[in-house]
Amino acid sequence: AQKITQTQPGMFVQEKEAVTLDCTYDTSDQSYGLFWYKQPSSGEMIFLIYQGSYDEQNATEGRYSLNFQKARKSANLVISASQLGDSAMYFCAMREPRGNTDKLIFGTGTRLQVFP
Amino acid sequence: DAMVIQNPRYQVTQFGKPVTLSCSQTLNHNVMYWYQQKSSQAPKLLFHYYDKDFNNEADTPDNFQSRRPNTSFCFLDIRSPGLGDAAMYLCATSRRTGTLAKNIQYFGAGTRLSVL
Repeated sequence: AQKITQTQPGMFVQEKEAVTLDCTYDTSDQSYGLFWYKQPSSGEMIFLIYQGSYDEQNATEGRYSLNFQKARKSANLVISASQLGDSAMYFCAMREPRGNTDKLIFGTGTRLQVFP
Repeated sequence: DAMVIQNPRYQVTQFGKPVTLSCSQTLNHNVMYWYQQKSSQAPKLLFHYYDKDFNNEADTPDNFQSRRPNTSFCFLDIRSPGLGDAAMYLCATSRRTGTLAKNIQYFGAGTRLSVL
């Protein structure tokens, strides 16, 4: 079974600095997908970025990039130029096949706090 | 504009009194999911629909039921809520294509359920 591990319960970063949120995963599948979601205090889960196991390049979406190291089974999220609005919980997730569809397996999350 | 809409945002019910949570989507996605997220925990899948096919997770209590009368709507019914069912309930949707590929799940803002 797939497993996602996020070892940083909380992180602090100063505004305008970059921050890396760690995520490691475990799977025996060759084809898999990794996701990062942001959850502000309001509760909504906001999709940030996706990395497929066969993607040759690291995914980027605006200020978000994913440092994908397949051999190490890590998929760290890098947020550049942090903003106060980036303060939230961040979840790393992996797709697990479920019948004819799939489900997401989430890590325990990292709470990021951005200070001025 | 919100594409996955959950109503209500906050729901208070009494111990043992049935409650229904609602989710609607304007994305025309064929898969709809219900997740339960307890305080400071990761979301946990309860069940999902692929079109009209219902897929229940093995560890989802019988107390939780779901209905999907059409593509746009999905309901979560809790027949006899207990104190342990107080949580955030998140609805998500995705489009299942020939291959799972990206298959991003898009979430609503959630319904926070309190049980008195």
